Amino acid sequence: DAGVIQSPRHEVTEMGQEVTLRCKPISGHDYLFWYRQTMMRGLELLIYFNNNVPIDDSGMPEDRFSAKMPNASFSTLKIQPSEPRDSAVYFCASSRTGPHEQYFGPGTRLTVT
Amino acid sequence: GQQVMQIPQYQHVQEGEDFTTYCNSSTTLSNIQWYKQRPGGHPVFLIQLVKSGEVKKQKRLTFQFGEAKKNSSLHITATQTTDVGTYFCADGTGGFKTIFGAGTRLFVKA
Repeated sequence: DAGVIQSPRHEVTEMGQEVTLRCKPISGHDYLFWYRQTMMRGLELLIYFNNNVPIDDSGMPEDRFSAKMPNASFSTLKIQPSEPRDSAVYFCASSRTGPHEQYFGPGTRLTVT
Repeated sequence: GQQVMQIPQYQHVQEGEDFTTYCNSSTTLSNIQWYKQRPGGHPVFLIQLVKSGEVKKQKRLTFQFGEAKKNSSLHITATQTTDVGTYFCADGTGGFKTIFGAGTRLFVKA
């Protein structure tokens, strides 16, 4: 069974550009989480979905960040416009049972110059 | 706000030595999870503890949940180089908003 799939694995962009990160959760998992990891702030929950519906987006840092889940097998995290402080590794995770036992994707390393 | 504190931040051990990381909370936790992240990798779920005083083992790893459900520990017996990485505890008390600790990074010298 394939794990959580994320693309791209690496993204380098210039400040001001739009960035879209993609995630395919594990089939049958009805919870999807987006995290951001930095040295300074650690692993932070940005937003999570249940059955494609955003439940809690209080971790989304600013209006520049938005996330969607149009169907059970696909989610996007968009940053528009991007800034250098957005540089981080962004992980997507999915879970069948809620917040417990989350399965993380390989992450997208974003660098904004 | 709600958070879990992990100590130590870093630990260097010689291969074969034991290792322990601790997770502490000022409030009672409904459950705690442990994850491992290898350098350059992603967090991987290890275990979840729910009951007061619970102890679970996975080969050389022993996980404990405190009697008051305010602390937890992960102990590795006879570390190996494959144990290197960062170990995170995560508090799943706040509904579905899992709060991760800062992690303990383990270095193992062969």
